[in-house]
Amino acid sequence: AQKVTQAQTEISVVEKEDVTLDCVYETRDTTYYLFWYKQPPSGELVFLIRRNSFDEQNEISGRYSWNFQKSTSSFNFTITASQVVDSAVYFCALSIGGYNKLIFGAGTRLAVHP
Amino acid sequence: GAGVSQSPSNKVTEKGKDVELRCDPISGHTALYWYRQSLGQGLEFLIYFQGNSAPDKSGLPSDRFSAERTGGSVSTLTIQRTQQEDSAVYLCASSFALWRGQGQFFGPGTRLTVL
Repeated sequence: AQKVTQAQTEISVVEKEDVTLDCVYETRDTTYYLFWYKQPPSGELVFLIRRNSFDEQNEISGRYSWNFQKSTSSFNFTITASQVVDSAVYFCALSIGGYNKLIFGAGTRLAVHP
Repeated sequence: GAGVSQSPSNKVTEKGKDVELRCDPISGHTALYWYRQSLGQGLEFLIYFQGNSAPDKSGLPSDRFSAERTGGSVSTLTIQRTQQEDSAVYLCASSFALWRGQGQFFGPGTRLTVL
């Protein structure tokens, strides 16, 4: 069975702090994709990143970075120097194969305070 | 349009009525997905369409739910004899093939309230 666990329900930080959102996934498939989405208060899900199972290179995009470790089945997301605009619910998701459904974690609500 | 669009944005209906929710995917995307987001269940997959292949209906919660995609583009999700537990935000997403390195792009959703 496939599953995504985001153990952190809510995180509260002060602006400029670094914060890491954890994501642990379960699958027996060797080909899969991992995603992060942001859902700001406006409600629309915003695509942040996709990573395939054969590419364990970490990725950095501005203040965002992602750490994919197959050995621990984790795909963690770090925001450096957080800002109030980063306040949102963040979802990690898993997809098996080429055209398949997203299996979402429960989400982590991040609140960044000024 | 530039993104996925959904209509209506809000729908209030009475228990037992049928509702239709519409999704216009991003032009050229071959795959279309429906999800729903509710407080108790989080984000759940409902159904997806890929080209001319038979849709994957494995997430539909009951036979009151159905969806179609006409001409490989616009999709309609129909809920018959709505129940209060159907109240949720229904999200549509579309994508190219995942091997092209892109994710699924979501529309703004339709908030369904069943009274």
